This record gives sequence, C-alpha cells and structure tokens, in this order.
Amino acid sequence: AQKVTQAQTEISVVEKEDVTLDCVYETRDTTYYLFWYKQPPSGELVFLIRRNSFDEQNEISGRYSWNFQKSTSSFNFTITASQVVDSAVYFCALTDPFRLTTGTASKLTFGTGTRLQVTL
Amino acid sequence: KAGVTQTPRYLIKTRGQQVTLSCSPISGHRSVSWYQQTPGQGLQFLFEYFSETQRNKGNFPGRFSGRQFSNSRSEMNVSTLELGDSALYLCASSLPGLAGDRADTQYFGPGTRLTVL
Repeated sequence: AQKVTQAQTEISVVEKEDVTLDCVYETRDTTYYLFWYKQPPSGELVFLIRRNSFDEQNEISGRYSWNFQKSTSSFNFTITASQVVDSAVYFCALTDPFRLTTGTASKLTFGTGTRLQVTL
Repeated sequence: KAGVTQTPRYLIKTRGQQVTLSCSPISGHRSVSWYQQTPGQGLQFLFEYFSETQRNKGNFPGRFSGRQFSNSRSEMNVSTLELGDSALYLCASSLPGLAGDRADTQYFGPGTRLTVL
C-alpha cells in the first residue's frame, strides 16, 4: 500500500534559519511521482514541485531545494534563509500505482503534513 | 489564467441534510479530483472525474457522490450528513498528461469548509 510519512509534526525556526522538511515514502510501484504542496492559513494547497521516480537529480528554485534519494525512499525539502511568509503547512504526496486503463495516476496519497512556523 | 474556483467557500448544515459543492477547474483542464481534509484523517482522496466519467474512487461511503459536466465543471454531493463529514473539501484540476508523462500535476482550489451541526 502507498504510504507517505512526514515525521515532523511542527517545526519552529527564526527568520533566516535554514530548515529541512523530511518526507519518506513507501510504494511497490516502479513508476511514481512525488509532490510537495504548501498550505497557507487560507487553506488552498499550492503546488511547489513534482519529481518522477526516474529523475533523481536534485532541484533548486530560489530559496527552495529538494533532495530525492530513491535508495532511502526520501524526498526532503529545504528552505534556505527562511522568511515569515514561509509559515504554512507543507505536504508531501505520492501518486497511486500507475493505472494501465487510464494511463495516468490520478490519486495522491498525502503525508500528515509539517507545520512550519517562522518567527522574527 | 484563473485558478480553480470552489463555491461556496463556507457552509453550515445540520445532520441528515444533504449538500452540493461546486468546482470550476482551470480553463483547459479536463480532470477534476476531490479530497476531504480533516484534522483526524488528514487529506483523503474522494474521487476523480475525466470527460464526465468517474475514473478513480477513494474509500468513502456511497453517501459521497460526484459528477462532471461537459464543460469540465464538477459537483460533489453528500447526502444524509453526519457530524464526521465536517471538513475542508478541496477540489483539484489537472491537464491530461503529456505523451509518456504518467501523472498530471493537480492544482487545488481554496476549498469549501463544511460544518455539520
């Protein structure tokens, strides 16, 4: 069964600190996709990144970076020089097994989320 | 391009009533998925519609149903509401994947917060 574990329930940092959010996943599928979403207090889930299981290259986007390691089934997210605006709940998600009938993996399994609080 | 819109944003109902929530996807997106978010169970997949057909379904009772219209707009209905149905209901839309690309990125709306009294 698909499973995503975000062991850190809540993290508090002071602005300008670097912070890493952990994500560990379980799947028997060989083709899968991993996602990170941000949920600010307004409630909307904001897409941050998508990574497929064949691409282990790390990615950097501004202050955000992602480390995908298939050997440890982890997809960790680092925010460099955190800011107050980064305060939100962050979710890691995994696609369900590839469906031969439809050709796409439409269902996401989410972790329980990590609440990040950045203070001045 | 406008994002995913959901109406209403807030809803209060009493046990036993039924409710219909609406979702308008991003223009050009043909797939719409629904998720329920509660403090106890987290984010759970309800169902997904593509070209007016339910393509995938989560593990929810039959009281939860949905449909999609020819313009890709979607509605979900919950009948005989229970206190445990109080949740944030999120709708997400996605484009069909590119050839060889086996997953669509889902873009979420702001959600409808349903309170059942």
